[in-house]
Amino acid sequence: GAGVSQSPRYKVAKRGQDVALRCDPISGHVSLFWYQQALGQGPEFLTYFQNEAQLDKSGLPSDRFFAERPEGSVSTLKIQRTQQEDSAVYLCASSSGLAGASAKNIQYFGAGTRLSVL
Amino acid sequence: SQQGEEDPQALSIQEGENATMNCSYKTSINNLQWYRQNSGRGLVHLILIRSNEREKHSGRLRVTLDTSKKSSSLLITASRAADTASYFCATDASRVSSGSARQLTFGSGTQLTVLP
Repeated sequence: GAGVSQSPRYKVAKRGQDVALRCDPISGHVSLFWYQQALGQGPEFLTYFQNEAQLDKSGLPSDRFFAERPEGSVSTLKIQRTQQEDSAVYLCASSSGLAGASAKNIQYFGAGTRLSVL
Repeated sequence: SQQGEEDPQALSIQEGENATMNCSYKTSINNLQWYRQNSGRGLVHLILIRSNEREKHSGRLRVTLDTSKKSSSLLITASRAADTASYFCATDASRVSSGSARQLTFGSGTQLTVLP
């Protein structure tokens, strides 16, 4: 597709339920990022993939959060045993990941998945 | 955690006026970017300024960067109702030599409302 696609757009989960959020990046983009955005705040970094390799997961708030990108394209963010504080918008972004000094690291964002944990 | 603060948190102006938003950050950067977010949507890249640049223009947008003060400003001239959105600065601290894309660190955003 032309842009980054995320599904579902909205997810309501009961506390303790597991959820899986999907991201379909721009075709050919090497780099993929997950961010968490609380209401009224800027996005906060969760994790980063370069192709299928997860190079940085320092932003994942707990071991209940897990992300994968097995074939270097589509990525899934999984949250186990959801809690109320997990309620947020989860944004996925991709970038071309071009190497070299000219790399600008401009990221293209999906519309996000709004997760509400009751 | 957020890289820094943006001010004002909210700004309301009349159509045709200029809007200025400021951003401060904490660490050394490779570049600084501004993004726009309409309600319920993803972020859209507006403009990028490298650490060795002081000013950049794109259409009605003007960005300045002062690395000694670790601050940037975004000016939108001749604002329109369609400019109503949240605006975020984002810093890229990745090492150019690594050649790999890294995460952006976002500010807390300015909510701009342009009244028709």
